[in-house]
Amino acid sequence: EVQLVESGGGLVKPGGSLRLSCAASGFTFSNAWMSWVRQAPGKGLEWVGRIKSKTDGGTTDYVAPVKGRFTISRDDSKNTLYLQMNSLKTEDTAVYYCTTGVDVWGQGTTVTVSS
Amino acid sequence: DIQMTQSPSSVSASVGDRVTITCRASQGISSWLAWYQQKPGKAPKLLISAASSLQSGVPSRFSGSGSGTDFTLTISSLQPEDFATYYCQQVNSFPPTFGGGTKVEIK
Repeated sequence: EVQLVESGGGLVKPGGSLRLSCAASGFTFSNAWMSWVRQAPGKGLEWVGRIKSKTDGGTTDYVAPVKGRFTISRDDSKNTLYLQMNSLKTEDTAVYYCTTGVDVWGQGTTVTVSS
Repeated sequence: DIQMTQSPSSVSASVGDRVTITCRASQGISSWLAWYQQKPGKAPKLLISAASSLQSGVPSRFSGSGSGTDFTLTISSLQPEDFATYYCQQVNSFPPTFGGGTKVEIK
């Protein structure tokens, strides 16, 4: 069964950091381009960023509001995707989903940035 | 960035009704459009890719059409399990962008 399981969410103060993880199973993770998408409370979906497979260069891209603060990485030996979030702002409060891009999504992990 | 505009933002309908949701792109995206269904507290579920390709396991009452800038998701006969929020997403160019969502509510 193809599955993505996020973890690492929680409550953090503005300016703080948090690292999310996404464990993948049931498909060849190393070949997949992986993305993070977030959803603020009561709001729509916002694509955050992606990382290409290593064979396609392993490069990353981010949406403007998180560029320079968030970093996506991957460990293909562990079939795990990461989202390192620094300098967090209250507007980063959201459910964060990892996804293969379109068809496979995790259940989400909640990040709350509040003092 | 390509802007995706969905309408209506909400619709009230009864079981058995035909429901149509539209999505307009700010520039042409060929057929690079996906439709998702999301229920409260759950992840989005892919219904349709490439504007009109129904995903395996998705009921045939769902259909998608369109190309270029104008797209439509149609539910031919609304069922109780279809009450949810629906999103379109363009995957033609970077960054992928979503429409604002359409909430389908019980009338």
